Formats: sequence, structure tokens, C-alpha cells
Amino acid sequence: QVQLVQSGAEVKTPGASVKVSCKASGYTFTAYYIHWVRQAPGQGLDWMGWIDANGGGTNYAQNFQGRVTMTRDTSINTAYMEMSRLRSDDTAIYYCVSSNWNGGTDFDYWGQGTLVTVSS
Amino acid sequence: DIQMTQSPSSLSASVGDRVTITCRASQGVGNDLNWYQQKPGKAPKRLIYAASTLQTGVPSRFSGSGSGTEFTLTISSLQPEDFATYYCLQHNNYPRTFGQGTKVEIK
Repeated sequence: QVQLVQSGAEVKTPGASVKVSCKASGYTFTAYYIHWVRQAPGQGLDWMGWIDANGGGTNYAQNFQGRVTMTRDTSINTAYMEMSRLRSDDTAIYYCVSSNWNGGTDFDYWGQGTLVTVSS
Repeated sequence: DIQMTQSPSSLSASVGDRVTITCRASQGVGNDLNWYQQKPGKAPKRLIYAASTLQTGVPSRFSGSGSGTEFTLTISSLQPEDFATYYCLQHNNYPRTFGQGTKVEIK
């Protein structure tokens, strides 16, 4: 079955960086994009960007440009989201999502989420 | 950025009620609209894509309609497991944007 398994919770100090991983299994990893979506405590969902798991191309939301880097390693079917210069308002659950939203297919799978806490 | 506005922000309903949630886009998004359900402590789960196509495995009491700037998610007969928060997502323009959510609570 399709699974996206994310790395564990992180606690970081302001100004630090964090790298969250998302390991895919049960499907052809390179067939779909990996999106990253975050959710601050008690808040709604915020799209951060995507990486094409096949070619490695990326598209970042302007709010995160310059601070976020999305990469993937096709040899181990894993995507990564790295965020630098962390602030307290980056405290959130970060989700990876495998889907081609514009492809009109039934495929849409989410990781379990990774809580990143930014606190001094 | 396209703003997605859901209404209501919350509602109280009883088991068996018909529930309708609206999502309005600040500009047209065609039918590039998904609906998600999120329960506390869980990742969102897609219910509807392409505005009106039911995701495999989702009960038929869920339905979606609309195009352009106005969309609706309807639950024909609310069940206990449907109490959750619902989000719309447009994927027609960048950045992709979600509605602020509609919390469906037990009356």
C-alpha cells in the first residue's frame, strides 16, 4: 500500500535550519510531485511548494522563497524539505503530499506530519 | 494570490442532517478545486477533486459541485464520523491556496 513516512519531531532555536524527510513506498516515486503543506497550531493549511520527483524541478510559494529548499533522492524514494533562518512563527506541523493535482487523477497521499517547534 | 473564502467558518449539525459548505474564489479557478477532511491529530484526507469527482473509497453521501468562483461540498446525511474540519484547495494558480476551513461540530 502507498505510504509516506516522515521524519520525527524537531525542536530548533530561532535562526537555525531544519530538514524534514518524507520516504515514499508502494508506488512509483517519480510518477508524482511531492508537495509540502504546513499547519500552525490551531490554524489552517498553507501550501509551501512542490518538487517534481522525476526531474527535480521545484516551485516555491513566494512566502517561502529564499528560505526553503526542496530536494529528492530517487535512489531511496525520499523527498526533503529544508527551511533556514527559522522563526517562532515557523512552529507548525509540516506535511508532505504525493499527488499531481493538475493531473486529475485519484492519487493523493499525505505523510503523517512532522512537528517542528521553534523556541529559544 | 487567489483568496479562497469558506462559509460558514463553523456549524453545528445533528446526525442525519444535510450539510452544505461553500468555497468562493477571488478569481476564477475553473474546476481546479479539491475538498479535504481533517480530523484532530490527523493528516487531511481528500474527498473530492476536479470540483465534483469523488475520491475512491469516499462515501457517496459526499458530493461536490461548482466551477469558476463558487463551489459547494454537500454531505447528504451527516454521520458521526463526519464531524471534522473541511478545507477547499485551488490548484489553478500559484501559489496554491486553501480556504480557512469549516469546522463541523455536533449539535
